[in-house]
Amino acid sequence: KNEVEQSPQNLTAQEGEFITINCSYSVGISALHWLQQHPGGGIVSLFMLSSGKKKHGRLIATINIQEKHSSLHITASHPRDSAVYICAVRSWGGSEKLVFGKGTKLTVNP
Amino acid sequence: NAGVTQTPKFRILKIGQSMTLQCAQDMNHNYMYWYRQDPGMGLKLIYYSVGAGITDKGEVPNGYNVSRSTTEDFPLRLELAAPSQTSVYFCASTLEGVYGYTFGSGTRLTVV
Repeated sequence: KNEVEQSPQNLTAQEGEFITINCSYSVGISALHWLQQHPGGGIVSLFMLSSGKKKHGRLIATINIQEKHSSLHITASHPRDSAVYICAVRSWGGSEKLVFGKGTKLTVNP
Repeated sequence: NAGVTQTPKFRILKIGQSMTLQCAQDMNHNYMYWYRQDPGMGLKLIYYSVGAGITDKGEVPNGYNVSRSTTEDFPLRLELAAPSQTSVYFCASTLEGVYGYTFGSGTRLTVV
């Protein structure tokens, strides 16, 4: 079993829909990251969470440490949100290393 | 402010050839990482460094070597390239205690 599991693997939505991507992890963590990878391949950091909730524009990320679960929400989705969204966790123990989920490929159709 | 710069962006190697993937950052980050990304898989850690002169193996180090002679540069060396090393390689960096990561744009490597 992978330490970081994401669901769904693939997601297709219509423009304007509310999107939820889930991430579950099995290890104790010091932080959880949500990353975005566009078709061109570059990876951009969206959020870093250690508790609670963060919001940036139409994106909202939440984390429940007790349940070892995080969600990434996109409100009023747009075709430019089409990308792979990656969850990654940093476990305790130093070196700031990340363990990555396999990613969720989101396609938003106009 | 360039961030993390990776070169080359694309490369085709023949089996048995060697090459070095370059990674440089200008943010004075002490931690640097090399990952590979295979289709349908999460990024896997190859090597990492917590500062100049210090490197350590990640999950998938076989067939690779690294060095960290300066804070800025963290090159990844492939010796005797094999088809199994066909992948997209990402370099990343962070500053201890700050927690945000910056990724390079990736190197797409094909070994034929």
